[in-house]
Amino acid sequence: DIVMTQSPESLAVSLGERATINCKSSQSVLDSFNNNNYLGWYQQKSGQPPKLLIYWASTREFGVPDRFSGSGSGTDFTLTISSLQAEDVAVYYCQQYYRPPFTFGGGTKVEIK
Amino acid sequence: EVQLVESGGGLVQPGESLRLSCAASGFGFSSYWMHWVRQAPGKGLVWVSRINTDGTTADYADSMEGRFTISRDNARNTLYLQVSSLKPEDTAVYYCTRDSYLGLDYWGQGTLVTVSS
Repeated sequence: DIVMTQSPESLAVSLGERATINCKSSQSVLDSFNNNNYLGWYQQKSGQPPKLLIYWASTREFGVPDRFSGSGSGTDFTLTISSLQAEDVAVYYCQQYYRPPFTFGGGTKVEIK
Repeated sequence: EVQLVESGGGLVQPGESLRLSCAASGFGFSSYWMHWVRQAPGKGLVWVSRINTDGTTADYADSMEGRFTISRDNARNTLYLQVSSLKPEDTAVYYCTRDSYLGLDYWGQGTLVTVSS
C-alpha cells in the first residue's frame, strides 16, 4: 500500500500570511505514460464533508480561489495557501489515487494565529 | 445539481450487520466509478472501497476486505455498502463520493454508524 505522510499535523498562520502543507508518498504516484501525478488535495471545514481543491497535484478544481496552489511530483508534494483568509480554517488532506487502496494523509489542521 | 444522499446509519450492536445506501441524482450515475470513505469521530479520512461503473469490479482497503461489500444498482441510481460483523472501531461517518477520474469531486453529507452495546 502507498502510505501518505503529511506534515505538519497543525499550523497557525496570521491572516494574510502564507501556509504551507507537505505530503509525502511512500511510492511515486507519477504516471509516466501521461506525466500526471495522481495526487489530490481536499479541504474539510468543521461539520462538512471534504471538498476537492486540487487534482493532478497542481490543477485547481473549478471555483477554487487562486490563493490555493499545489506543487510537487513523484513522491513529494506541497499545498500552499498564499494569503490565508479566515474562511480557510479547515483540515487539509492529500490523497493518492494512483493505485488502490487510495490512501489519504493524516490531515493538517490550519488555524489563525 | 449533483446530489449524493447517504442513509442507513444508526446505532447497532457489535456483531450485527448494516447496509448503507447512497442515492445519487443530477448526473449520469451509471457513467461514474463511486467510492465510500469513512471518518471516525475526531479522526482523519479513511478510504474504504470503490466500484466500477457496471458493478463488476471493486477494490477495498486491506483492513476492510471480507467484511465490507460495495455494490450498486444503476437502475435505481443507488450505491450500497454492506458491512457485516460490525466492531466498535467501525464507528464513523460514512461518505459516498463520486470519482471524476480527476479526484473525488462530489461528496454526500455522510451517515453516522455507531457500534456499541
